[in-house]
Order: sequence, then C-alpha cells, then structure tokens
Amino acid sequence: GDSVTQMEGPVTLSEEAFLTINCTYTATGYPSLFWYVQYPGEGLQLLLKATKADDKGSNKGFEATYRKETTSFHLEKGSVQVSDSAVYFCALGYMDSNYQLIWGAGTKLIIKP
Amino acid sequence: DVKVTQSSRYLVKRTGEKVFLECVQDMDHENMFWYRQDPGLGLRLIYFSYDVKMKEKGDIPEGYSVSREKKERFSLILESASTNQTSMYLCASSLDRVNTGELFFGEGSRLTVL
Repeated sequence: GDSVTQMEGPVTLSEEAFLTINCTYTATGYPSLFWYVQYPGEGLQLLLKATKADDKGSNKGFEATYRKETTSFHLEKGSVQVSDSAVYFCALGYMDSNYQLIWGAGTKLIIKP
Repeated sequence: DVKVTQSSRYLVKRTGEKVFLECVQDMDHENMFWYRQDPGLGLRLIYFSYDVKMKEKGDIPEGYSVSREKKERFSLILESASTNQTSMYLCASSLDRVNTGELFFGEGSRLTVL
C-alpha cells in the first residue's frame, strides 16, 4: 500500500541556517503531495502542496518539489527563524479518493536563536 | 477564516468511562474527520463523515464511534475508555467531496485514560 516516510527528529538548527526535511513516498498511483505544519499549541495547517510531478509548492519561504523519479517531496527553507519551530508532516492523497490522506510520522524542528 | 473548535483541550478519564469529544466547524464544510496523533505514528484516521448522518470507518475505528446529527458538529465517542486510548485527538474539516487535501484542524484534545 501507499506510505510516507519522513526523517526522524528532532531536527535542531541555529537561526538563519538552511533547512531540509526529507520526505519520501511509495504510491500505487499519482497522488498529490502535501506539507502540513503544527505550531506549538495550535492545530495543523496546510503549508504547501503539489499536485503533479515536477510541480513546486511554496509558502512562507518554504519550498518542496514533487520528484517522481526519486519519489520525494523534501521541504526546504533558505534561512530559518525561531518562529519556524514546529512539527512538520508530509502527506499524500488522491483527488478521487475517499477523502483520506496518508501521513508521515512528523518531524519536530527546533530553531535556536 | 475557517474555525474548527474542539470542546475540550485536556481531559482525564478513568478506564471504563464513556467519553465524548465534540467538534464544531463554522464554515459549512461537508467533510469532517477524527484523527488520533501519537508520537512516531503521525496521524491515523479513526472515522470520517461526508454528510449529515453519514459516517465511514477510517484505519483504526475499533473502540470508537461517531455521531453527526448536524452538519457543523461531529462527535467522537469512546464507549468504554481504555488506557491505550490515551492520545491526542484531532478533528478536521474540508469543503469538497473531492479531496483537495486542504484540511482545517482544531487545536486538539489531549485525553489521558487512567
């Protein structure tokens, strides 16, 4: 079946460092891919998405490119801030599915000033 | 903005108690979901509903039931709570029948079963 694998955390970086959070997937079809973020004490919210191969999703300085050849959707940011500290979830879903998203385990990101 | 409100942020219950977790959304969304979130396991879908009085089992429905009597409200019920149901419970909603992937989440309800 389909699955999503994320790098284990926590990931600890200093402010202004470059961020990569790895996400790879296995899929039987052609899913859309998503990154959600959960800030401390808040609900998850959609950060970015890509619906087909080679698409790049971007938001708030974060980017991720849908790579079909490597089955990856790595999250990147050029210069992180303390306010980026959160848990990041990668997920996949199908447009004609029965509403379900398949989630990665989440990666906790800690940014130190 | 869409708001999804979960009735309780923190609950402590005893084994065998009946537990109700309530979720209300204010944007007329058709779809509503209940997940549980556990460290290292991500989000696992318990139940979802795409219309009033409709419900579908997710990946881990055992030990849970749901109720959707009104469009804006989706309740999760633990008939007889057990310690392995200690978890963070997340409610979410989305607009369309086709899953665009944009789910709107509540802040979560952390349940501890003693």
